[in-house]
Amino acid sequence: AQKVTQAQTEISVVEKEDVTLDCVYETRDTTYYLFWYKQPPSGELVFLIRRNSFDEQNEISGRYSWNFQKSTSSFNFTITASQVVDSAVYFCALSASSNTGKLIFGQGTTLQVKP
Amino acid sequence: DVKVTQSSRYLVKRTGEKVFLECVQDMDHENMFWYRQDPGLGLRLIYFSYDVKMKEKGDIPEGYSVSREKKERFSLILESASTNQTSMYLCASSRPFGGGTDTQYFGPGTRLTVL
Repeated sequence: AQKVTQAQTEISVVEKEDVTLDCVYETRDTTYYLFWYKQPPSGELVFLIRRNSFDEQNEISGRYSWNFQKSTSSFNFTITASQVVDSAVYFCALSASSNTGKLIFGQGTTLQVKP
Repeated sequence: DVKVTQSSRYLVKRTGEKVFLECVQDMDHENMFWYRQDPGLGLRLIYFSYDVKMKEKGDIPEGYSVSREKKERFSLILESASTNQTSMYLCASSRPFGGGTDTQYFGPGTRLTVL
């Protein structure tokens, strides 16, 4: 069975703080992909990043960084120097070869960044 | 840029009405998906289609049907709307699994209220 767990339901930080959103996944496939999406109050899911199971290099994009560790089945997302515009629901998701690419979503983490 | 559009942002219908939710993508994607999103339940897959006139049930297909007559358009149909179908509906499209191009891109969502 495939599963994605985002244990943090809600996180509240003050602007300029760093914040890490946790994501733990389960799959028996050797080929799989991990994703992060952002859902601002407008409702649309915005794609942030895609990683494949063979590439454990960490990724940095501006204030965003992602830490992929196969040993712990985790794909955590860190926002450095958070801003009010980062307030949103963030979803981690998994797609795997045995599931023909259908996305399995975590429950989402609501991030509130206060000014 | 990938563009996925949905026919309505907000929709109010009465119990028993037949409801059509339309989704159009402009990136020639083979795969299209319909999800519903409810508080505490995350995103759940209703139906998906990997080609014209092809469809497969997702996790919660009961009470829904779909139609895909053209590659760019995927319709979700509620044959007889019920109050428990009040939800946010999200459409997505993607390339086939694998190859680095299978990211799902989402539309803005339709918030459906059934009275």
